[in-house]
Amino acid sequence: DTEVTQTPKHLVMGMTNKKSLKCEQHMGHRAMYWYKQKAKKPPELMFVYSYEKLSINESVPSRFSPECPNSSLLNLHLHALQPEDSALYLCASSQRTGDEQYFGPGTRLTVT
Amino acid sequence: QKEVEQNSGPLSVPEGAIASLNCTYSDRGSQSFFWYRQYSGKSPELIMSIYSNGDKEDGRFTAQLNKASQYVSLLIRDSQPSDSATYLCAVNRGYGGSQGNLIFGKGTKLSVKP
Repeated sequence: DTEVTQTPKHLVMGMTNKKSLKCEQHMGHRAMYWYKQKAKKPPELMFVYSYEKLSINESVPSRFSPECPNSSLLNLHLHALQPEDSALYLCASSQRTGDEQYFGPGTRLTVT
Repeated sequence: QKEVEQNSGPLSVPEGAIASLNCTYSDRGSQSFFWYRQYSGKSPELIMSIYSNGDKEDGRFTAQLNKASQYVSLLIRDSQPSDSATYLCAVNRGYGGSQGNLIFGKGTKLSVKP
């Protein structure tokens, strides 16, 4: 089973809202990732968690705040987003960093 | 020089033909290489991984890696219309603090005509 789940599938939020994206995997993977993908562009890495510790932050604005409550869950907290933050947000996991990454279905975010 | 380069296409092949997708990378220290397929509006799906020089076959797919030339390719035999998608080449530096940092090429759009 190589399933990564993400909720919600779609999210529309205003610039003053606070919302959270959730990601879950039950494959025993110890590395989890957040990516942002704009239309017709490749995914761009935002954050990497390894053994529940943040190991890579790709200079992401502070309005995006990741959290890894346990080895199966990954959250992305959103606050004061801009319209240009509208994108597909992808979660992925792998056994360890450097291994094959499996992506969830994504959350399509629209900021109005 | 971009880190991972692919021809953006579109690459059009007839049904039943071999589709050949190419990728070059700039970081000679890169350790692992992946091909993902992405249908429009969907998330990337892993189809092949390759870690050492040579060929790796899985069904209709063959990945080829040449580290000396910094070149990765994907061959799709007996192409089907359902193979029509964007194919993303991804490279993992795989060392030190960059491990886990997957760098994607811009993707090649493949169209298989019935």
